[in-house]
Amino acid sequence: DGGITQSPKYLFRKEGQNVTLSCEQNLNHDAMYWYRQDPGQGLRLIYYSQIVNDFQKGDIAEGYSVSREKKESFPLTVTSAQKNPTAFYLCASRWTSGRGSGELFFGEGSRLTVL
Amino acid sequence: AQSVSQHNHHVILSEAASLELGCNYSYGGTVNLFWYVQYPGQHLQLLLKYFSGDPLVKGIKGFEAEFIKSKFSFNLRKPSVQWSDTAEYFCAVTLFYNTDKLIFGTGTRLQVFP
Repeated sequence: DGGITQSPKYLFRKEGQNVTLSCEQNLNHDAMYWYRQDPGQGLRLIYYSQIVNDFQKGDIAEGYSVSREKKESFPLTVTSAQKNPTAFYLCASRWTSGRGSGELFFGEGSRLTVL
Repeated sequence: AQSVSQHNHHVILSEAASLELGCNYSYGGTVNLFWYVQYPGQHLQLLLKYFSGDPLVKGIKGFEAEFIKSKFSFNLRKPSVQWSDTAEYFCAVTLFYNTDKLIFGTGTRLQVFP
């Protein structure tokens, strides 16, 4: 089945540690996105990538880093510089051309808790 | 700054009641508009979308939305809700000529009681 796979689903981290969240898609989508979801704040864009080896900062990129070495993979690293990292992280992807190019497809999310 | 507003944060309804969730955006140009739904324990999924054409858009599960350009609005409606509609609903907007960034509203939590 085609889809977006995020791992791990749940992750606990001590303060001061970096952690990497995985996102893999087999939909052959060009663009990939990372959002953060907090209660009452909706989804806020962290980073996005339209093509391999290129990515742009979203609205809340500070304390995060990404890479896009392969079309199907877009890992997110939450660094120790992120002041409030406990959140639900959502990965998404879409085509960038064609009839369905606007629609985002989402993974099931990763819940990060910093202890 | 460009933004999307959903003024209803939490809506509680009985089954068979009618639903209307508000969504307003602040983009000045031509836009693409979306409603996404997140059922408890499930991933976000597309409910409906508007790119162009008829401003009244029909989506899955009996939902519809009307794009009113003069009001910068894209309100979601359903004539008769069911218990299974209990979920969180997100409005989202992207510029028609720059679909790189999809901006979401803060969401509306809908609870439907039998």
